[in-house]
Amino acid sequence: KNQVEQSPQSLIILEGKNCTLQCNYTVSPFSNLRWYKQDTGRGPVSLTIMTFSENTKSNGRYTATLDADTKQSSLHITASQLSDSASYICVVSDRGSTLGRLYFGRGTQLTVWP
Amino acid sequence: EADIYQTPRYLVIGTGKKITLECSQTMGHDKMYWYQQDPGMELHLIHYSYGVNSTEKGDLSSESTVSRIRTEHFPLTLESARPSHTSQYLCASSEYDADQSSGNTIYFGEGSWLTVV
Repeated sequence: KNQVEQSPQSLIILEGKNCTLQCNYTVSPFSNLRWYKQDTGRGPVSLTIMTFSENTKSNGRYTATLDADTKQSSLHITASQLSDSASYICVVSDRGSTLGRLYFGRGTQLTVWP
Repeated sequence: EADIYQTPRYLVIGTGKKITLECSQTMGHDKMYWYQQDPGMELHLIHYSYGVNSTEKGDLSSESTVSRIRTEHFPLTLESARPSHTSQYLCASSEYDADQSSGNTIYFGEGSWLTVV
């Protein structure tokens, strides 16, 4: 069964600190993995997208890594800011289906305190 | 910034009412999607479209219907709303299929929060 599991479910950190969010998936055949940021009550916004051949990608203070062998990804946030408080969603796409089906994790709820 | 818009953002309606959630994008994307998301839960695909006059049901069974008469417009309709339809509905669009490699961003609207009382 194709699944995307994220950990931790929630995380509280102090402003300025770094943190790492985890994503494990069983989706096969794998096509790409995306990280989205979703503010409360808003739609998800894309942070990164990585294919099989990419093992790291950065977007400002966000750095995503991908290990396609172990089917794990992480999102590292550097020097956190209050505006980083949001849900971070890992999304994996498979190949072979006509839609390129997306499998969503439940997200990690990050809270940054001053 | 994504050019995809949803209205209304928030709606409270009575049981049995008919409602239509609007979604429009100005990016010329052929692929459009509707997702349903309950608080703290993952997104579930309920409808998608590959282009004009193309509509398909998604993974999650839904009593809603959609239409795609114009490329930029993908409205979702509930003929008779029930409390079980209370949820957030997210519209999205993309230029290519989701399994395409880098550069194919899926853009989401801000969402429509529906409460049926």
